[in-house]
Amino acid sequence: DQQVKQNSPSLSVQEGRISILNCDYTNSMFDYFLWYKKYPAEGPTFLISISSIKDKNEDGRFTVFLNKSAKHLSLHIVPSQPGDSVVYFCAASGSSNTGKLIFGQGTTLQVKP
Amino acid sequence: DAGVTQSPTHLIKTRGQHVTLRCSPISGHKSVSWYQQVLGQGPQFIFQYYEKEERGRGNFPDRFSARQFPNYSSELNVNALLLGDSALYLCASSFDAWWSYTFGSGTRLTVV
Repeated sequence: DQQVKQNSPSLSVQEGRISILNCDYTNSMFDYFLWYKKYPAEGPTFLISISSIKDKNEDGRFTVFLNKSAKHLSLHIVPSQPGDSVVYFCAASGSSNTGKLIFGQGTTLQVKP
Repeated sequence: DAGVTQSPTHLIKTRGQHVTLRCSPISGHKSVSWYQQVLGQGPQFIFQYYEKEERGRGNFPDRFSARQFPNYSSELNVNALLLGDSALYLCASSFDAWWSYTFGSGTRLTVV
């Protein structure tokens, strides 16, 4: 049972345009959501997060939006740069604080010069 | 400052063998978590340890075990290896706020 889903395995955008990566979840008990990026041969690197009490969090070129009613979150990257071409994972956690993150399958972003 | 270090970086084992993977957290971090990432999938939670005690366990068979030492380093042990155990094993550490995980680069385990 995949509780966190990233339905697009890959995304291609032009440099300077907006990249929108999507993530859906099924468990309404999730209350904290994170996005990680992963370079080849490295572990995931934390990018941005959002608590369920918010619907938007912004950090520079990266903005995460949360729609709790739709159980959907998205990561917006504006403007997209070629160096953003990596794999992005969304992850979710509940309030039980066991340290368990549920990850999506990942989306590979390609930003074309 | 050193990040999360994992050893070895790559490992090849035969079915039925046992393997031990090691993780050293960032200095001062008391929590260590282990994840398994199969090719094409996101990481899956295996264990979390905090102050040497198990705080969480994922849906993995009893062949998987772990422990945390007084210096907060950790070992992940897998017995009776199966071909399906071939994956990237990631260790992550945090001080206490679990959402501030820092991941290591992982150990690539291949079971043949």
